[in-house]
Amino acid sequence: GDSVTQTEGQVTVSESKSLIINCTYSATSIAYPNLFWYVRYPGEGLQLLLKVITAGQKGSSRGFEATYNKETTSFHLQKASVQESDSAVYYCALGGRAGNTRKLIFGLGTTLQVQP
Amino acid sequence: GPKVLQIPSHQIIDMGQMVTLNCDPVSNHLYFYWYKQILGQQMEFLVNFYNGKVMEKSKLFKDQFSVERPDGSYFTLKIQPTALEDSAVYFCASSLGLGGSSYEQYFGPGTRLTVL
Repeated sequence: GDSVTQTEGQVTVSESKSLIINCTYSATSIAYPNLFWYVRYPGEGLQLLLKVITAGQKGSSRGFEATYNKETTSFHLQKASVQESDSAVYYCALGGRAGNTRKLIFGLGTTLQVQP
Repeated sequence: GPKVLQIPSHQIIDMGQMVTLNCDPVSNHLYFYWYKQILGQQMEFLVNFYNGKVMEKSKLFKDQFSVERPDGSYFTLKIQPTALEDSAVYFCASSLGLGGSSYEQYFGPGTRLTVL
């Protein structure tokens, strides 16, 4: 079936260090997968961080970037230098392009704690 | 950015009673969604609603669940009767359309439902 896997439940990184949060997906019923990273800051709702709808492309926002890799079915989130304000829960999600399902399939989420 | 509001933020109810969760979507959005997240589990799609009709629903959307948006007011999720396994956080989302950037779903902060 369709699924999203985030292997790390919690990641702790020191400020100014680099970050990678892993995400792999399985899209057996979605012909044209779209991939998303959402973020939930403390006390707030989910916000879209970045999205990529075409395999091989890279999305970026607020210093974060992720590349849609169809060969490895991965969409890892990276940032070269994290800040304390990046502390939040990050969700990888899989969706369908127009003509396919409209729902989003989420990973479990990864809690990022940035230490000063 | 555009905001989705959810009322109430927390609801405690006795098993067997009816509950209505309210969502105030982004004003010009046309597509509405409910997701359910049980503590420690993934956020899962429940239902997608457009033009007064359910477009797609998952196996989690039991017969006891119903959705409506009368006259452009709140988009509601009603559970009648409630069961213990309905305890979860329910997230509402809305999107402008289905293609390109209009597919982006905006999420509310969630309603935590506790069924006793």
